[in-house]
Amino acid sequence: DTGVSQDPRHKITKRGQNVTFRCDPISEHNRLYWYRQTLGQGPEFLTYFQNEAQLEKSRLLSDRFSAERPKGSFSTLEIQRTEQGDSAMYLCASSSTGASGLTDTQYFGPGTRLTVL
Amino acid sequence: AQSVAQPEDQVNVAEGNPLTVKCTYSVSGNPYLFWYVQYPNRGLQFLLKYITGDNLVKGSYGFEAEFNKSQTSFHLKKPSALVSDSALYFCAVRDRSAGGGNKLTFGTGTQLKVEL
Repeated sequence: DTGVSQDPRHKITKRGQNVTFRCDPISEHNRLYWYRQTLGQGPEFLTYFQNEAQLEKSRLLSDRFSAERPKGSFSTLEIQRTEQGDSAMYLCASSSTGASGLTDTQYFGPGTRLTVL
Repeated sequence: AQSVAQPEDQVNVAEGNPLTVKCTYSVSGNPYLFWYVQYPNRGLQFLLKYITGDNLVKGSYGFEAEFNKSQTSFHLKKPSALVSDSALYFCAVRDRSAGGGNKLTFGTGTQLKVEL
């Protein structure tokens, strides 16, 4: 059972450039989440997909951020016109809605560390 | 709105001694509660969760946590700490009510340092 994978693991970019990150969830998981973590803080929720539908977005997700999950499998997170304040660890998580109806556990990937110069 | 407080930035304990990492939460409805651990430059690793039922939850690597509704707490415990337990620990909450969504809200983390 492979875990959540993210690519790239590290990204250094110049201010104003666009960047795109990829997340591959655990294969049978239908839910996928993006979080952002800055130094000394806990992860903050950005957005959530169930299959290909984006069901929830945080106010943190400005119009420079866009996320997609076109076929309900992998997801991409794009940041346009990056700013220095976008420097953070971007974490992806996935989960599966269980037949029991009890809440599902989110399993996290290793993250993509973005540095904006 | 939901929130989590981890009042201690760092907890130091000697190997072999019991450890406690504190967490209190606030939600409008009833909570689902989680503990995750993070090693340097790594993602979060799931330890345990409380959904319903027994207030004492047992998880991975000998960790356990006790849900206390009256004190709105979910403290993480281990009877005998190991040096390898040294890491950053996060408590998280999800609101069980219909409008709570699926997002987790995390605390700011507690750095656990276990010394010989």
